Amino acid sequence: EDQVTQSPEALRLQEGESSSLNCSYTVSGLRGLFWYRQDPGKGPEFLFTLYSAGEEKEKERLKATLTKKESFLHITAPKPEDSATYLCAVGISGGYNKLIFGAGTRLAVHP
Amino acid sequence: DGGITQSPKYLFRKEGQNVTLSCEQNLNHDAMYWYRQDPGQGLRLIYYSQIVNDFQKGDIAEGYSVSREKKESFPLTVTSAQKNPTAFYLCASTKAGQNQPQHFGDGTRLSIL
Repeated sequence: EDQVTQSPEALRLQEGESSSLNCSYTVSGLRGLFWYRQDPGKGPEFLFTLYSAGEEKEKERLKATLTKKESFLHITAPKPEDSATYLCAVGISGGYNKLIFGAGTRLAVHP
Repeated sequence: DGGITQSPKYLFRKEGQNVTLSCEQNLNHDAMYWYRQDPGQGLRLIYYSQIVNDFQKGDIAEGYSVSREKKESFPLTVTSAQKNPTAFYLCASTKAGQNQPQHFGDGTRLSIL
């Protein structure tokens, strides 16, 4: 069964304290791994797509990496405005752009 | 600016009532999707449509219906047959082609009166 698991469920950081979020997956036929940011009461905002093991993408304080079994979202020197829920989704084969979503990691960055 | 507009932001349903959630996009995207988000769970796919006048059931279609009469619009009806409708509903769209990222609207929160 296709499955995506994110850890930890929640993470509390001090401003400037770097850390990583994990997204592990077991799927048949990976067609991309997607990271999203979701603020309370809003829809997910697209951040990155990774397609193959070894690939990395960066945006401001965020860096996403991909291996054959998991992806990491590294947050360097976070600020309070980075507080949000981060969602990971895996694209799988199926004739359309089907995504399997993880439950997300709630990140709180305190000043 | 292009984007996806969902309305209303909040919706209340009475017992036995059908309600319709609106989703409009001006991104010229071909495919559109409806998801349900519950606390502590990943987004679950309700319905999707790849072209006008065609749509397919997702993983949790029971108690829901959709239509796709225009490329820009993909309304979702939550019927009285859906016994646990309280959730956050998200609409998304993608360009044509494989491995395209889905872009989301800001959701509709549906509650039971």
